[in-house]
Amino acid sequence: DGGITQSPKYLFRKEGQNVTLSCEQNLNHDAMYWYRQDPGQGLRLIYYSQIVNDFQKGDIAEGYSVSREKKESFPLTVTSAQKNPTAFYLCASSIPGRDAYEQYFGPGTRLTVT
Amino acid sequence: AQSVTQLDSQVPVFEEAPVELRCNYSSSVSVYLFWYVQYPNQGLQLLLKYLSGSTLVKGINGFEAEFNKSQTSFHLRKPSVHISDTAEYFCAVRGYNFNKFYFGSGTKLNVKP
Repeated sequence: DGGITQSPKYLFRKEGQNVTLSCEQNLNHDAMYWYRQDPGQGLRLIYYSQIVNDFQKGDIAEGYSVSREKKESFPLTVTSAQKNPTAFYLCASSIPGRDAYEQYFGPGTRLTVT
Repeated sequence: AQSVTQLDSQVPVFEEAPVELRCNYSSSVSVYLFWYVQYPNQGLQLLLKYLSGSTLVKGINGFEAEFNKSQTSFHLRKPSVHISDTAEYFCAVRGYNFNKFYFGSGTKLNVKP
């Protein structure tokens, strides 16, 4: 079955450590996205990529970095510069362009930094 | 930039009662509209979407939404809710000329027996 996988489901890190969240899709979608979700704030866009080897900052990119070396993979690194990294992180993919294609979401990774 | 407003952060309702979750968006251009549902600690699932044509859109699990261009609204409705509908619901917008999606802050629907 096609879909998006995120691993791990739960992740714990000590403050000051970088951590990388995995996102893989087999939907053959060109566009991929990373969102952060905090209670009562909805989804906020961190980074997005429309094509391999290209990505753009979203609304809250500070303290995060991404890479897009393969179409199916879009890992997110939460760096020690991110002041409040504890959150639920969601990866999504879509077909880019002008058509009304919806986003497909992975199951999410809950990151806790202490 | 576009924005999406979900007017109610929480909506309590009794089982088998009707429910309406409100969504308004700001945009000077035509948009595509979506409603997603999220169960605890899971990703988002698409409920329905408005692309064009009929303003009444039917989705999964008995939900429907009505697009009102003059009021820039896209309210979600269900005539009779079940306990299993307890979840958080997100309204989202995608502009014709944008590759970004804009989400509301979510509405938690709590269905009581």
